[in-house]
Amino acid sequence: SQKIEQNSEALNIQEGKTATLTCNYTNYSPAYLQWYRQDPGRGPVFLLLIRENEKEKRKERLKVTFDTTLKQSLFHITASQPADSATYLCARGYKLSFGAGTTVTVRA
Amino acid sequence: NAGVTQTPKFQVLKTGQSMTLQCAQDMNHNSMYWYRQDPGMGLRLIYYSASEGTTDKGEVPNGYNVSRLNKREFSLRLESAAPSQTSVYFCASSDWQQGATYEQYFGPGTRLTVT
Repeated sequence: SQKIEQNSEALNIQEGKTATLTCNYTNYSPAYLQWYRQDPGRGPVFLLLIRENEKEKRKERLKVTFDTTLKQSLFHITASQPADSATYLCARGYKLSFGAGTTVTVRA
Repeated sequence: NAGVTQTPKFQVLKTGQSMTLQCAQDMNHNSMYWYRQDPGMGLRLIYYSASEGTTDKGEVPNGYNVSRLNKREFSLRLESAAPSQTSVYFCASSDWQQGATYEQYFGPGTRLTVT
């Protein structure tokens, strides 16, 4: 089966710092990976999609990388703010296979 | 646009009871999905419908049935609820283009407790 794993359950950081989240996958490289944000009591919201032939993708303060050699995607939140506190989910495939998520808490 | 809507928001069932979770989208998307989310396990796909008139099993289909009523609506039915089906259920939709699914849009979820 095509597994996807997010290494950390929780990440606590100081406001203004960069948060880095890791997503690892097994078996063959997916054509693309997606990252979602989920706030408590709500459904996930799409943030970014990165294709296997793209090394890096950016959207405002968010940056995603895709390393097919390491079978890994990194998700960065730069200049983090308390409003960035949420759970971030990585997903692969068209029938999205999700990681368990990493909960980020940004301290003011 | 309301996006993806789900009803009900909350439900408590007794073991053995049946119920249908409703989902509708107004974005004219071809594909629709049902997921369940349990603590520490992430979202797992129950069933999906790539296009109107088709449905397929996902990772955890046992104990569930689905109906793609039309392009807008996709329902999930629990015929005989079990405590193991206590979970948060999310419906999602996406636009299927040239064999590649783009981002999925999720509903607000249904919190189901089976006692």
